Amino acid sequence: QKEVEQNSGPLSVPEGAIASLNCTYSDRGSQSFFWYRQYSGKSPELIMFIYSNGDKEDGRFTAQLNKASQYVSLLIRDSQPSDSATYLCASKKGIGSARQLTFGSGTQLTVLP
Amino acid sequence: DTEVTQTPKHLVMGMTNKKSLKCEQHMGHRAMYWYKQKAKKPPELMFVYSYEKLSINESVPSRFSPECPNSSLLNLHLHALQPEDSALYLCASSQVGQGTGYNEQFFGPGTRLTVL
Repeated sequence: QKEVEQNSGPLSVPEGAIASLNCTYSDRGSQSFFWYRQYSGKSPELIMFIYSNGDKEDGRFTAQLNKASQYVSLLIRDSQPSDSATYLCASKKGIGSARQLTFGSGTQLTVLP
Repeated sequence: DTEVTQTPKHLVMGMTNKKSLKCEQHMGHRAMYWYKQKAKKPPELMFVYSYEKLSINESVPSRFSPECPNSSLLNLHLHALQPEDSALYLCASSQVGQGTGYNEQFFGPGTRLTVL
């Protein structure tokens, strides 16, 4: 079992819809979680991080964390074609330490105009 | 300034060459990271420096040699690489400390390396 699992997709949604990206993790020692967006040929760009149970909203993005179910998700409201990218979910043990990120394999999202 | 810079953007080298990748950040971050990313795969951690000291080496072959001359700079020295080492090499940095806001890793644009 991989430590961080994501549906590889591809996931296609129409423009204006809500895109829902899901991630599960196996290590209960994971304390903080990150969503990165990566356009083809570019480097990962941090969208959000979350470490408390519940929802965290930032503009069109909402991250959700459920530690009991070991589940993290990212919702993108009013999806735009420019949101088409690979979304990487990552976990980290510890809040403030310089520890490595454990990445999922990424979900490829396509927003259709 | 929330930017991590990397040079060069592209590098082509032969298997007998010696080259170096450079990474720089001026965000006051005290942790810096090297990742390797192959096409359609997630980034794979190579090294972590914390307060200019190597804290994690993920069993990387010795043909990759990291160096952290100061808190803003991170180098990756390359020697006798193999074609399978061709990849996107990413540098990242983060704060080190307890509490919120100290754990996000910010990535540089990467160096696209091709080994012939």
